[in-house]
Order: sequence, then C-alpha cells, then structure tokens
Amino acid sequence: GAGVSQSPRYKVAKRGQDVALRCDPISGHVSLFWYQQALGQGPEFLTYFQNEAQLDKSGLPSDRFFAERPEGSVSTLKIQRTQQEDSAVYLCASSLGRGLTDTQYFGPGTRLTVL
Amino acid sequence: AQKVTQAQTEISVVEKEDVTLDCVYETRDTTYYLFWYKQPPSGELVFLIRRNSFDEQNEISGRYSWNFQKSTSSFNFTITASQVVDSAVYFCALSVGWNRGGGNKLTFGTGTQLKVEL
Repeated sequence: GAGVSQSPRYKVAKRGQDVALRCDPISGHVSLFWYQQALGQGPEFLTYFQNEAQLDKSGLPSDRFFAERPEGSVSTLKIQRTQQEDSAVYLCASSLGRGLTDTQYFGPGTRLTVL
Repeated sequence: AQKVTQAQTEISVVEKEDVTLDCVYETRDTTYYLFWYKQPPSGELVFLIRRNSFDEQNEISGRYSWNFQKSTSSFNFTITASQVVDSAVYFCALSVGWNRGGGNKLTFGTGTQLKVEL
C-alpha cells in the first residue's frame, strides 16, 4: 500500500475488555511509532520499534499497554482491562530510517471508545 | 525535557486572508528538528515541513511559508491567501538529538484549529 494503514478505524469496548489495534507501516520502513491522541490534544509518544526491536517504551502509560512487532513489519498495540481514560485516538507512524532526519508518516488512527 | 507551545487554540479567517500560526519550543539540545503537520477532519496527520536547528533560512512552498527564529525559539507558519481547504488542525512538533533508545520521537504542541470561511 501507499501509506500507513490502521485497523480497525473505530473500536468500542466495555470497560475491562482487552483490545488489539493493528498497524501496517509503509513497506520497507525500519522505524515504527505509536502515539496516543486525546480529544483536543496533540499526539503523545507511546513506544518505538526499530525493525522488531522495541527500543523505547517510555511513553506507555501503564503495564496494561503492550506493543509488539514480531517480524519487523506489522505492529499490534494491545490494551488489557481497558479503562475509560484509555479512550483516545491511537496513531501509528513509520519512517524509512532511524535517524533524526527521517520524516514520520502517519496512519489514519484508531478511535477507541471505552464505555 | 522538550516542550512545544501553540498558544492559539482556534483561529477563524475569511477566505483569501493571510494567517500565521505560532509555535514556540523549548529544548536544551543543540541539535533538533522542527515539524509542522496538518490534521484534516479525516484524522490523518499530513507532513508539511521539517527544519533542522542549524538552518534558520526561511522557506516558502506555494502559499505556505515558515519563519524559524532561534533567538525567540519560534517556528511560525504562515498561509497566504487562505482557502476553505486549509481548514484543519495544525500541529507543530519537535524531535531532539539522538534519542538514547534510537528513533526520533516527536513532541507535539496542542494544535491550532484553523477555520477558513467563505
């Protein structure tokens, strides 16, 4: 595909349910990022992968959040025992390399609503 | 720690007016990059420009122009002759040095909602 894709686009979960959000980066992109965007706010960094290695997970808000990229391409963000404060848009971005000069390209996001 | 401030929450203009979106950043790093992204109602962040900390030359791309001033830690974005299609939320973002963990995670401002009306 031409760009970053994410699925599902919308997800409604009852509090306490587990959810899994998928990201398909641009083919060949080494770096993959997850961000969380609350309503009316800017995106906030969650975690970073370089190929299959998760090099930075400093932004994950709690141990209920888990991300993986086992084969260095598709990534999944999993949230266990969802809480209402987890309601947000989850954005995935990828970049070709791993350097400061690499531009991140974003997907359309998954809007998670926890009831 | 890094910080990006976009003090303008919402701006409304009439089509064909010029509009400037302000961005002020904070970092102790001497090597950093600044970005502007556009987020239309569809939600996808669209990359507009990247600027490194060593290049203060202003840039123009069509109706868009950017003014980078290190002395005031600002990276402002001007749209000339605005159009209805420019209506969106605009985010300024910062990435710094060589992140110890690798990668160049972005620190975003809170965004400015631009509404261009006929």
